Amino acid sequence: DGGITQSPKYLFRKEGQNVTLSCEQNLNHDAMYWYRQDPGQGLRLIYYSQIVNDFQKGDIAEGYSVSREKKESFPLTVTSAQKNPTAFYLCASSMQANTEAFFGQGTRLTVV
Amino acid sequence: GENVEQHPSTLSVQEGDSAVIKCTYSDSASNYFPWYKQELGKRPQLIIDIRSNVGEKKDQRIAVTLNKTAKHFSLHITETQPEDSAVYFCAAHLAFNKFYFGSGTKLNVKP
Repeated sequence: DGGITQSPKYLFRKEGQNVTLSCEQNLNHDAMYWYRQDPGQGLRLIYYSQIVNDFQKGDIAEGYSVSREKKESFPLTVTSAQKNPTAFYLCASSMQANTEAFFGQGTRLTVV
Repeated sequence: GENVEQHPSTLSVQEGDSAVIKCTYSDSASNYFPWYKQELGKRPQLIIDIRSNVGEKKDQRIAVTLNKTAKHFSLHITETQPEDSAVYFCAAHLAFNKFYFGSGTKLNVKP
């Protein structure tokens, strides 16, 4: 199933609570990415990591945080500072060289 | 940094007709150009890709062309079928860097 797994598929949280989305890959990929997708919109990069213990902000990093303590894992925390967190979140991974990015099945986060 | 523009944002064709989606990029150093198809509520999946040392690549009904001089690349789908209906994303990539995605094209194939 692509070797990259996101969990959970659906997540509901109350406003003001932090929430962590899981992303795990067993493809031995160096690079991992988090994207946000709003209805009818494209993919906006939140954070990406090219190597363990290193990550860079994407275009919409405010209100989000990540860690990359292991090559296989790149969890995303949506903090209470994120003003409009309800969205579809996609994690992806790729080799550093020019090969395709594989996407997880996504997590649909709803904040009420 | 890189900037990828994709057109059109929506495209409606009759079953059996061809569909063309175009993307332009700004960084001449980008050398890998994948195309992804995303069905409603699902993950994007690679349908075809092209590298900068190739001008055209074809896979059955799908083809991609790349013009490095003009910095644009296009996706061509022939003999469209209703199951081709989805959102298509182009992307530009440079090794050891991030993927830059276009804004997406919603393709509707009418039976």
